[in-house]
Amino acid sequence: GAVVSQHPSWVICKSGTSVKIECRSLDFQATTMFWYRQFPKQSLMLMATSNEGSKATYEQGVEKDKFLINHASLTLSTLTVTSAHPEDSSFYICSARVPGGNNQPQHFGDGTRLSIL
Amino acid sequence: TQLLEQSPQFLSIQEGENLTVYCNSSSVFSSLQWYRQEPGEGPVLLVTVVTGGEVKKLKRLTFQFGDARKDSSLHITAAQPGDTGLYLCAGGKYQAGTALIFGKGTTLSVSS
Repeated sequence: GAVVSQHPSWVICKSGTSVKIECRSLDFQATTMFWYRQFPKQSLMLMATSNEGSKATYEQGVEKDKFLINHASLTLSTLTVTSAHPEDSSFYICSARVPGGNNQPQHFGDGTRLSIL
Repeated sequence: TQLLEQSPQFLSIQEGENLTVYCNSSSVFSSLQWYRQEPGEGPVLLVTVVTGGEVKKLKRLTFQFGDARKDSSLHITAAQPGDTGLYLCAGGKYQAGTALIFGKGTTLSVSS
């Protein structure tokens, strides 16, 4: 089945640090990937849609200068949390849709737990 | 605006009981996915339904897509502790490249 790999799985760093999270589709090409944020015991909140070769589309209320997204290849999207602060601490998850039409499911990475001290 | 209403939000039951989780919307979806998520991990796809009225079974789990493709249900028969987790429904729209719309999730706890 389709596999999405996300790295790192856990990050602890000081306030003011920038953190990069990678999302890779291992066995398929993904022109579109998605980045979500999840708070404890809550559902996924879409942050942005990452499009290969073009600018990401951000959801309302998500700061594009804070959360930089780069989708440089068909198998890799990166999310960089710039100058992270404690309020950015969360569980970040990426997903990619399997090619083959709009009804193809999205497969998710295992998430990145970000803790800002 | 929450386009997918999922209920109940929390469910705590004993092993062997049956349960149903509902996912409702006023919008039509081209597909509906159900995911299960365990703490500290990403959601894992359980099933995709695309046809109105479609019913799919996965062992003790039965998924149904409403005739009008606006709602779905997940029924678990004889729940087991291993079924514990967060269940998420997510609707897909016809437009290419659009993200899934997620319900708020149902946290299920099955005790032995």
